[in-house]
Amino acid sequence: GENVEQHPSTLSVQEGDSAVIKCTYSDSASNYFPWYKQELGKRPQLIIDIRSNVGEKKDQRIAVTLNKTAKHFSLHITETQPEDSAVYFCAASTGLGGGADGLTFGKGTHLIIQP
Amino acid sequence: ETGVTQTPRHLVMGMTNKKSLKCEQHLGHNAMYWYKQSAKKPLELMFVYNFKEQTENNSVPSRFSPECPNSSHLFLHLHTLQPEDSALYLCASSQDRRSTTVYGYTFGSGTRLTVV
Repeated sequence: GENVEQHPSTLSVQEGDSAVIKCTYSDSASNYFPWYKQELGKRPQLIIDIRSNVGEKKDQRIAVTLNKTAKHFSLHITETQPEDSAVYFCAASTGLGGGADGLTFGKGTHLIIQP
Repeated sequence: ETGVTQTPRHLVMGMTNKKSLKCEQHLGHNAMYWYKQSAKKPLELMFVYNFKEQTENNSVPSRFSPECPNSSHLFLHLHTLQPEDSALYLCASSQDRRSTTVYGYTFGSGTRLTVV
């Protein structure tokens, strides 16, 4: 089955700096890669996703890049703010839109924004 | 609320008890999932249902028994659990695999389960 590795497990950056979280996956058939943000005591929420026919996607301060050859994808957050502090999970799936195949998640990255 | 509601929010049960977790979604989704979230571990997929049919059982022990009576409701029946089963159990839903619209998952708030 799919195996998703995520690094680092903890990332501390100064407010205003950029943060990068990296994930690798093992199943070359995976074609959908979402990122979730989970604040303390709250549910995971989808923040951005990318499909395998696209190399990069951006939404305001958040961007995701995908390298299918190397089987890795990354989350980039620019101009970090205190409200960005949370645990971020990457995931991979072979299903279209993640539907009904189940997502395999990375272990999560605890992002800490230092004031 | 995101449209996926889980009850109860917290549950403490003994190892000999039988209890059930409930998940309900009103998003018109056809796929529903159970995930287990433990400390220092990734979100672990347990079960997948698509149009009420179980399509995946990720080697989950038989003391966890899912039930999906319709596309809007999902249950997780628990019996003779172990202390290591204590975790946050998250339900999620999504469009089925034939959809070309990427919605991703919508998670419920989870049930915090403690087995004593």
